[in-house]
Order: sequence, then structure tokens, then C-alpha cells
Amino acid sequence: GAVVSQHPSWVICKSGTSVKIECRSLDFQATTMFWYRQFPKQSLMLMATSNEGSKATYEQGVEKDKFLINHASLTLSTLTVTSAHPEDSSFYICSAKRGPYQETQYFGPGTRLLVL
Amino acid sequence: AQSVTQLGSHVSVSEGALVLLRCNYSSSVPPYLFWYVQYPNQGLQLLLKYTSAATLVKGINGFEAEFKKSETSFHLTKPSAHMSDAAEYFCAVSGSQGNLIFGKGTKLSVKP
Repeated sequence: GAVVSQHPSWVICKSGTSVKIECRSLDFQATTMFWYRQFPKQSLMLMATSNEGSKATYEQGVEKDKFLINHASLTLSTLTVTSAHPEDSSFYICSAKRGPYQETQYFGPGTRLLVL
Repeated sequence: AQSVTQLGSHVSVSEGALVLLRCNYSSSVPPYLFWYVQYPNQGLQLLLKYTSAATLVKGINGFEAEFKKSETSFHLTKPSAHMSDAAEYFCAVSGSQGNLIFGKGTKLSVKP
């Protein structure tokens, strides 16, 4: 199979703190990972594209300094929400591809962030 | 630029009835098209994908979709709905960066 995990699945934090979310490809090497954000009853919106060993490419309107992405290895990408505020509360989902030219993305189970 | 339009944010069918979820796409290049299903508080599971091979694509759980270039459509169907099919369904088209561009989703309800 092609399994992607995310940790944690749920996180509640105080406003102003930073939260790190991990995305791991468990049984394959992922040269490319994507981070999406989903608001309640809405679709997924791409935040950034992460390639192993290089800087992430952020979508327009996504603050690079607020949403730090690190793709340090072929099986791990992290998203850090810095100085989180209540408006950052959302469902964050990552996905991974086996290679840049592979068309199929495999999604993690998502992380629900609630900022109080 | 690529985009996806899903007609109907909510579709309700009776158990055993035909399921039809509509998706139209716009793409400046030959598209790759996908259908994903999402259960509450979970990630997305791939149902099926079209990658320029056969226009009728069969997926998991009895779902299938037909790529119609002339209609720029990729509608999802299942002959007989099951209670376990109740979920949110997303149609997506591949973007220029290898990402996915999603439609707004269609919530499928199945009545007993």
C-alpha cells in the first residue's frame, strides 16, 4: 500500500503558542508532499508544496513565516504553525507522492487544530 | 488554469438507488482527474482516477466514472447505494505543480 500518517490527530493549544504537525510516508519514499487546509464544510485548499531537501513553495496568500514547512527526509515533512491564533483553527491534511511525476497523491488522516 | 465544479453540494438517495455525483472540469492541458471520499474527521481516500487511458474508470467500492472530453465531465456513479457510502466526495484535477485542485465537495446521504 501507500500509507501516510499524521501526528498528532488532534491538538488544542493556547493563542500565541506554536504547534508542529508531522506527516510521514510509512511504506514509500515521498519526494513531494503537499499541505492542505480544510475549513468546516469546505473543500481542501493547497497551502504549500514541499520537496525533499529544498524550500517549500507556498500558495499565494499563505504566510511563509507563519506556516513553516520542513521536508528534511524522504519520509517526513513537518508543518509548524507559529504564534497560533484562533483563526488558524482548522483541519490540516498532508499528502505525499512517490515522485514528482507520479499523478496519485496519498493522503494522511488529517490533524485538527483548535486554538483557544 | 485548472478548476473543478461539483454540481450539488448535497445529494440524497435511497439505499439501493443509483448514485450520480456530477463533476465538470476546466483544464488547459489533458487532465488527470480524481475522485476522493472523505468520512467525518478523516483524510481522503482515493476512489478512482483517470490518467488518459480508458475513459471508463472503475474504482473501489463499486464506484466508476466516465471521462467525457466533449462535455468536460467526470461524473461518479454507483448502481446501488449502500448506507456505508454516506460521506463527502471530492472531485479533483491535477494542477500545474503536481498538486490537486479540488471541487467544493458533495455530501452524499443514503436513506434506509
